Amino acid sequence: AQSVTQLDSQVPVFEEAPVELRCNYSSSVSVYLFWYVQYPNQGLQLLLKYLSGSTLVKGINGFEAEFNKSQTSFHLRKPSVHISDTAEYFCAVSDRGSGTYKYIFGTGTRLKVLA
Amino acid sequence: AAGVIQSPRHLIKEKRETATLKCYPIPRHDTVYWYQQGPGQDPQFLISFYEKMQSDKGSIPDRFSAQQFSDYHSELNMSSLELGDSALYFCASSASFGSGSYEQYFGPGTRLTVT
Repeated sequence: AQSVTQLDSQVPVFEEAPVELRCNYSSSVSVYLFWYVQYPNQGLQLLLKYLSGSTLVKGINGFEAEFNKSQTSFHLRKPSVHISDTAEYFCAVSDRGSGTYKYIFGTGTRLKVLA
Repeated sequence: AAGVIQSPRHLIKEKRETATLKCYPIPRHDTVYWYQQGPGQDPQFLISFYEKMQSDKGSIPDRFSAQQFSDYHSELNMSSLELGDSALYFCASSASFGSGSYEQYFGPGTRLTVT
């Protein structure tokens, strides 16, 4: 069964510093990959997605992620974070072979941007 | 742009009571997913519907049932509520599988508290 690992449960970073949030998935079969952000007491907002094609994908709010098939990773990066980026970030995998495209989520990474 | 609507936003019930959560997908989205997010946890897939038929089932207790109606809205019915059912319940919708759009759009969630 597919599983998703987000190695860092919390990541503190100073404002304007770069950040990388790590995500690894278990299966090497074809997958769709997503990053979502969740602000306190709110729903999940899509940051970016990888379906196929270029392995470097750009999303909203200056975020980007790189799909690495050999390492089964999809790490999220931002070159310069803002206080407003403080939130919970979830990596999600949708198994193309499942037929239903349900998401398997990682356990989330809490990004705390410090002034 | 229209988003996924969930009602109610907050619900307080006592043990052994029943609850009904409603989800109205984005117009022209025919697929609905339900997820449960416990405190400090990642969202867990419960069940999904495509064109009013159940398409997949996850870790949904037998006490829960769901359906999708002719207007594509969905309801999650929860009976014999337990304290452990306290969670944030998300509904997500997506366009047809053949549309090439595989991302899910999440509603704001219904926070269920069982006392």
